[in-house]
Amino acid sequence: DSGVTQTPKHLITATGQRVTLRCSPRSGDLSVYWYQQSLDQGLQFLIQYYNGEERAKGNILERFSAQQFPDLHSELNLSSLELGDSALYFCASSDGTGGDTQYFGPGTRLTVL
Amino acid sequence: QKEVEQDPGPLSVPEGAIVSLNCTYSNSAFQYFMWYRQYSRKGPELLMYTYSSGNKEDGRFTAQVDKSSKYISLFIRDSQPSDSATYLCAMSPNTGNQFYFGTGTSLTVIP
Repeated sequence: DSGVTQTPKHLITATGQRVTLRCSPRSGDLSVYWYQQSLDQGLQFLIQYYNGEERAKGNILERFSAQQFPDLHSELNLSSLELGDSALYFCASSDGTGGDTQYFGPGTRLTVL
Repeated sequence: QKEVEQDPGPLSVPEGAIVSLNCTYSNSAFQYFMWYRQYSRKGPELLMYTYSSGNKEDGRFTAQVDKSSKYISLFIRDSQPSDSATYLCAMSPNTGNQFYFGTGTSLTVIP
């Protein structure tokens, strides 16, 4: 158990809908990262937050947004969903200081029908 | 050119074999190198973490970094069926920065 929690585990929804994925980092970690992993694809970095502020942005679509709250949990919002958004979404956390590395949550499996 | 290249495999070996997994990269600024293991559709699990060049050993696992060649390796000795998973390399230029992942190598260890 990495100490990173993600909810829900599974989500099934329809095209055009909006969903919110939630992540709680490990105790003491200030950085949260979001990744998308489609079938047969590697981990695609979406966005990073550090202590409530956006630090880095990867291949995140304009339909997607995220935020990190004062208690350090983070939410990833996906809107106007398309079939191609079906994927595993992982959250990872790190302490954001020297020598840190990322610890991954169990993921949320999103299916868009 | 991708920042990180990794042969996707699949790689199939008999139990007890030595496994060699590799990644190459193009960004000479990378200083932190990681290997993750991911069981089918589960969250990646950190296996090894190294800084700069050199070797690091942990049990049956050895990570090597050759910055001059921009090449990293993970060796698994006495491979077990439980090692069957996808192995992802990852690297970063600095602490707290974005990680760049390889696409993963699928490994199957046959009993």
